[in-house]
Amino acid sequence: TQLLEQSPQFLSIQEGENLTVYCNSSSVFSSLQWYRQEPGEGPVLLVTVVTGGEVKKLKRLTFQFGDARKDSSLHITAAQPGDTGLYLCAGDSSSNTGKLIFGQGTTLQVKP
Amino acid sequence: EPEVTQTPSHQVTQMGQEVILRCVPISNHLYFYWYRQILGQKVEFLVSFYNNEISEKSEIFDDQFSVERPDGSNFTLKIRSTKLEDSAMYFCASSGLRGVGETQYFGPGTRLLVL
Repeated sequence: TQLLEQSPQFLSIQEGENLTVYCNSSSVFSSLQWYRQEPGEGPVLLVTVVTGGEVKKLKRLTFQFGDARKDSSLHITAAQPGDTGLYLCAGDSSSNTGKLIFGQGTTLQVKP
Repeated sequence: EPEVTQTPSHQVTQMGQEVILRCVPISNHLYFYWYRQILGQKVEFLVSFYNNEISEKSEIFDDQFSVERPDGSNFTLKIRSTKLEDSAMYFCASSGLRGVGETQYFGPGTRLLVL
């Protein structure tokens, strides 16, 4: 069974601080997606990483896929209150049916 | 921008009743999915659907669950006899292709409460 462990589950920081969220597995994933989910809404895709070692940047957000494609990280530089939300990682399962396996999520609170 | 829509946004039902959750995927998409998220837990895959057939279903998706694409636009999830533990947020998703890293677009969800 493929599992994704996401950490930390909760993070409360001050505006301007940096943070990193981790997504780890013992399984290899063909790709990994990061989503952001607002209360009462569906997950919205932030980025997809496909190649081992790949780094993608989205403004102050940096996403990295591990060389072995078993782990990923999301780093936010100079966090702002608008970054507050739930961040989810999800990996493409090995079944090739489009099934996504989600981590537990990280709830981020950025205080002004 | 095209988006996945879901109705109703909220549904309250009595245990044992049938419910149908409706989704309108993005119009040119071919692959459809249902996920659910019990309060405080992770998003869980229920079923994937392509070419009018189920591609994969999870252990959660037992005989009480069924999916259908009754016409060219709707994709439905039916729960025949709801249980208390079916209370959750149900998300529909669709994708245009099914390659590695293909983006799945999620709807806003239906919050189902079984009493």
